[in-house]
Amino acid sequence: KAGVTQTPRYLIKTRGQQVTLSCSPISGHRSVSWYQQTPGQGLQFLFEYFSETQRNKGNFPGRFSGRQFSNSRSEMNVSTLELGDSALYLCASSLDPGAPREYFGPGTRLLVL
Amino acid sequence: GNSVTQMEGPVTLSEEAFLTINCTYTATGYPSLFWYVQYPGEGLQLLLKATKADDKGSNKGFEATYRKETTSFHLEKGSVQVSDSAVYFCALSPMNYGGSQGNLIFGKGTKLSVKP
Repeated sequence: KAGVTQTPRYLIKTRGQQVTLSCSPISGHRSVSWYQQTPGQGLQFLFEYFSETQRNKGNFPGRFSGRQFSNSRSEMNVSTLELGDSALYLCASSLDPGAPREYFGPGTRLLVL
Repeated sequence: GNSVTQMEGPVTLSEEAFLTINCTYTATGYPSLFWYVQYPGEGLQLLLKATKADDKGSNKGFEATYRKETTSFHLEKGSVQVSDSAVYFCALSPMNYGGSQGNLIFGKGTKLSVKP
């Protein structure tokens, strides 16, 4: 079966713009979590969604938001982009929140100029 | 707070050498512990996991034992191959998030290079 899909794979934006990233989980998986990976801060948890509800949120400013649709696909949005938002954004899916995150997507690489 | 510390890399080994990557953690209660691997240009893959003290996770020749007394989860492999070259991340999932294992806290990662 298809793995976790993330689109787009690469993005270039300028400061002040906003961006939306998409994550399609493995079929049947209803829990999606998002992570930011940067050389300086490493991997950091952004948020987690299950059944269209945000269950947990990491320590990120309100410019970072997300949502989940009834088909379990999830989007994350970053408004008023800053240079420091340049990162690889990864999502992972699982059957439910209590299951380990075994399946990650390839990530979306965002470059903010 | 919760945190994970793993040995700084890069680690360079010859093929068939023994591998140890140290990982220690700070957490309240009984977190679940994980090792993830990231190959160049790819996302993360779960390598192995352990959910309680003294559990041993194993996969593809890699092993790690959950040691609560030393708060450690060191990754080991008896004989590495060139194909094991990747970045390895130790991670924990705290137990105080309604049972969720999505809130992963990662170490900084250790880059492993295996030479033929």
